[in-house]
Amino acid sequence: SQQGEEDPQALSIQEGENATMNCSYKTSINNLQWYRQNSGRGLVHLILIRSNEREKHSGRLRVTLDTSKKSSSLLITASRAADTASYFCATAENTGGFKTIFGAGTRLFVKA
Amino acid sequence: GAGVSQSPRYKVAKRGQDVALRCDPISGHVSLFWYQQALGQGPEFLTYFQNEAQLDKSGLPSDRFFAERPEGSVSTLKIQRTQQEDSAVYLCASSSSSGGGAYEQYFGPGTRLTVT
Repeated sequence: SQQGEEDPQALSIQEGENATMNCSYKTSINNLQWYRQNSGRGLVHLILIRSNEREKHSGRLRVTLDTSKKSSSLLITASRAADTASYFCATAENTGGFKTIFGAGTRLFVKA
Repeated sequence: GAGVSQSPRYKVAKRGQDVALRCDPISGHVSLFWYQQALGQGPEFLTYFQNEAQLDKSGLPSDRFFAERPEGSVSTLKIQRTQQEDSAVYLCASSSSSGGGAYEQYFGPGTRLTVT
């Protein structure tokens, strides 16, 4: 079973708009990662945020992490048609295990 | 090579056949993961190798699934007596970190397995 839950499951926006995706998880973590997957390419790592960080930026991406609520959000600003993809959050328990838990993903469609 | 490669990219098997899926990780990467991804879902963890040692196989769905990485580089995922529910995309990922799933992973393109 998957640990992370993303919402919304699907999101359709116009080019230039911002897109926000949320992720919740269940256990204590060391860090949280976001990945992107589109039909033409495999899963690509976007950004990693550590458990002692609250916010991180990378280009048009902004990630927040609230460990008290066990949740994270990914904001894509000024979206482009090329951002159309599925976005997944991924976590690993900080109990010494090696497993990565992915959520079911948010499917983002950016209309040109 | 520049990235993680997997072969074959597509595999059609008749129910009951055995299949072997290959993963070539990025050279020098210590960690290697296998995942199963059903249509419309996120990847589900199958197993983890640190060099040649299989440290976590908690995600393997049954004893029909077997993975190996004998020399700490190339890995093979074998599925015996395939069943229709095994139809999925099988993803391989590698990482330079020895810290398991907590760090950036580089994914291959996947092998799409269809069991008829």
